Amino acid sequence: DAKTTQPTSMDCAEGRAANLPCNHSTISGNEYVYWYRQIHSQGPQYIIHGLKNNETNEMASLIITEDRKSSTLILPHATLRDTAVYYCIVRLHGSSNTGKLIFGQGTTLQVKP
Amino acid sequence: GAVVSQHPSRVICKSGTSVKIECRSLDFQATTMFWYRQFPKQSLMLMATSNEGSKATYEQGVEKDKFLINHASLTLSTLTVTSAHPEDSSFYICSAPPGLPRETQYFGPGTRLLVL
Repeated sequence: DAKTTQPTSMDCAEGRAANLPCNHSTISGNEYVYWYRQIHSQGPQYIIHGLKNNETNEMASLIITEDRKSSTLILPHATLRDTAVYYCIVRLHGSSNTGKLIFGQGTTLQVKP
Repeated sequence: GAVVSQHPSRVICKSGTSVKIECRSLDFQATTMFWYRQFPKQSLMLMATSNEGSKATYEQGVEKDKFLINHASLTLSTLTVTSAHPEDSSFYICSAPPGLPRETQYFGPGTRLLVL
């Protein structure tokens, strides 16, 4: 699975949009971009995933660049409960998918009042 | 959404004892589950893949005789830390993908182990 690079930490004001970037310059054509987050002392929570089109769900939006070498997770109206470590993971789908998730260091997002 | 539970949520034990941690998928069957370990201020590290009806697959550097994994049924995997030592103190987390394909995974709430 391709390696990802994320900023170590970010701050965001409550109520504002939080934009979390992720670089995955070595991503291959059949690898998807996944985002999970981990609130302190809890198990990770799935947020969203995508291949090349932008995706949106009730939690967030995922914007993937046309060359797929980077992506941005957008939390449209951050709340204090969104304070967490956000992990960007790139992995294969299909028959090559072992189900494994390899976590990098992630981005610690601090939402401030 | 799919729910994965872990038991116990927290355990304290003496050095040299064994500790069993359970991971259950509550509303779906999982032929595969995954076990992770997380030390303070570090990321999750995959330890092993638990396979129902067959042996677990361990990641490089993880001692299979120390971390015994048993996938007893389609909804239960157990991780036993044998002869635990203080350096085994960590946050242990399991995950399970509901069915195939294994695109999305659901994580348990984690078990905090403290070995004295």
